[in-house]
Amino acid sequence: GDSVTQMEGPVTLSEEACLTINCTYTATGYPSLFWYVQYPGEGLQLLLKATKADDKGSNKGFEATYRKETTSFHLEKGSVQVSDSAVYFCALSGGTSYGKLTFGQGTILTVHP
Amino acid sequence: GAGVSQSPSNKVTEKGKDVELRCDPISGHTALYWYRQSLGQGLEFLIYFQGNSAPDKSGLPSDRFSAERTGGSVSTLTIQRTQQEDSAVYLCASSLAYWTVWQGEKLFFGSGTQLSVL
Repeated sequence: GDSVTQMEGPVTLSEEACLTINCTYTATGYPSLFWYVQYPGEGLQLLLKATKADDKGSNKGFEATYRKETTSFHLEKGSVQVSDSAVYFCALSGGTSYGKLTFGQGTILTVHP
Repeated sequence: GAGVSQSPSNKVTEKGKDVELRCDPISGHTALYWYRQSLGQGLEFLIYFQGNSAPDKSGLPSDRFSAERTGGSVSTLTIQRTQQEDSAVYLCASSLAYWTVWQGEKLFFGSGTQLSVL
């Protein structure tokens, strides 16, 4: 079946540092890929997505590019802020996941001033 | 409603008791999902509904877990004879339809029910 693997966390950074959270997937066909974020005390919400190979999703300064050749969808941000502290989940739909989302383990990001 | 509503927000129960968790999806959303979030386990899929039918309930961990949806709206997740390992946050989500999710549309999540089994 489909699966998503995220880099092990937690990740701790200083404000204005560069961020990369690795995400790789296993799926048949052409899944859609997502990053969801869960801020402290809030519900899970979509951060960005890409629905086909080579697409780049972007939002709030975050970017991720759908790389089919490496089956990856790494999340990047050039300069993190304290307000980016949250749990980040990589996910996919399609493939054998069909009508549901398959999530990775989640990565806790803490940004210090 | 304006968003996905879950109740209760917190539930503390004793081992061996039954619990019911409720989810009220966004009006007009025909697909409804249940996930479980445990420390170190990420987000674990449990079941999803399209209308009142459950095309995929492969994630229900045991026969102590069941879910139903009536009238194409509210869903109830029932856990019988709760165990300590059932302690987790139970998240509900909805979307227009399961095929829109397959095509790349997002899920709308509720705030979850924190279940603690003592």
